[in-house]
Amino acid sequence: DTGVSQNPRHKITKRGQNVTFRCDPISEHNRLYWYRQTLGQGPEFLTYFQNEAQLEKSRLLSDRFSAERPKGSFSTLEIQRTEQGDSAMYLCASSFSGQGKLFFGSGTQLSVL
Amino acid sequence: SQQGEEDPQALSIQEGENATMNCSYKTSINNLQWYRQNSGRGLVHLILIRSNEREKHSGRLRVTLDTSKKSSSLLITASRAADTASYFCATVGGYQKVTFGTGTKLQVIP
Repeated sequence: DTGVSQNPRHKITKRGQNVTFRCDPISEHNRLYWYRQTLGQGPEFLTYFQNEAQLEKSRLLSDRFSAERPKGSFSTLEIQRTEQGDSAMYLCASSFSGQGKLFFGSGTQLSVL
Repeated sequence: SQQGEEDPQALSIQEGENATMNCSYKTSINNLQWYRQNSGRGLVHLILIRSNEREKHSGRLRVTLDTSKKSSSLLITASRAADTASYFCATVGGYQKVTFGTGTKLQVIP
């Protein structure tokens, strides 16, 4: 069990560019979650998957955000046409259905200049 | 979106004292969990309490749940400097959607 892995750890980009983050969950976990966290705030729910199926996407999330989990393994989160307000820590977590406990990665810190 | 609201937002205590954090939430839940986050790191699961349970213990942690008031509390007894971190409650609803609260920042002074 190598834990949840997120890449890259840090990403600096210019406004208007597209960025993609990757999350590798714990191998036997079938649920995968994405959250966004800004300084001093709690993690804000973005979306989650059971296997390859996306169960829900936050209504607060604009169409610039998209997430995939092909084959139910790793997941990618893409932000198109980044804005300064997208600057945040993006956290990924996984769990085994029915267990409820989430295991988090270390996150990807995005800075949009 | 955030389901839970925590109180206090920040708490500063002396080592050895007890720390109590409260969480209120809005909708029905399957279970409620507490997580800890050290600065700049991911969250770590501490304890889970199911909706049909009222109290649970794990080491120095004690969690209570009152579903009629939609509230939970986390008590850390005999605090240590290493307990300094942010603590979040998380509600688990239908289809295992997990939503976090706003957090309590705990500082334990040696």
